[in-house]
Amino acid sequence: EAGVAQSPRYKIIEKRQSVAFWCNPISGHATLYWYQQILGQGPKLLIQFQNNGVVDDSQLPKDRFSAERLKGVDSTLKIQPAKLEDSAVYLCASSPEQYRAPNYGYTFGSGTRLTVV
Amino acid sequence: AQSVTQLGSHVSVSEGALVLLRCNYSSSVPPYLFWYVQYPNQGLQLLLKYTTGATLVKGINGFEAEFKKSETSFHLTKPSAHMSDAAEYFCAVQEYGNKLVFGAGTILRVKS
Repeated sequence: EAGVAQSPRYKIIEKRQSVAFWCNPISGHATLYWYQQILGQGPKLLIQFQNNGVVDDSQLPKDRFSAERLKGVDSTLKIQPAKLEDSAVYLCASSPEQYRAPNYGYTFGSGTRLTVV
Repeated sequence: AQSVTQLGSHVSVSEGALVLLRCNYSSSVPPYLFWYVQYPNQGLQLLLKYTTGATLVKGINGFEAEFKKSETSFHLTKPSAHMSDAAEYFCAVQEYGNKLVFGAGTILRVKS
């Protein structure tokens, strides 16, 4: 089975610019997550989708971050405008559905490493 | 609110020695617990998980962890370290239906 695909792998932008990350989850997985992993910290959930609806976006900085999951499949996370503190690895993960996730597990992509200069 | 504390941001062991990575959690209800490993420039790979049942959980690559409710701990062990075990390890907790919360991670170094 193909894994969770993310692109690009690396991105360097200047502060105040915009950037977008793309994620394609495992086929059939209803739940999709975006995590932010700052150097030296554990991943932090930014947003969780169930199909194409948002389940939890309580930690998403909505003044600059946005995400969508059209048609309940792949997803895009955007930052506009970027700040220096947004430098991090952005991980996408998927699971069959929210309440089955603990038994099935979560599958993570390789992430996008963003550097804001 | 759930939280995870991983004691020791860096752990160094000799090849062949016991690996012990510590994880304590806080949760208002019996949690689901996970250990993930992350190699450089890669995503997170599931090592093992505890959901219900037997409190001693065996995972991949010879790792195991024991859920101790009285101590709110889920420490990760491996009897004999291998050079290929060098990576960063994350403990995570999830309450039923809620989000996964990660610890800050422990970098394991294996000396030859």
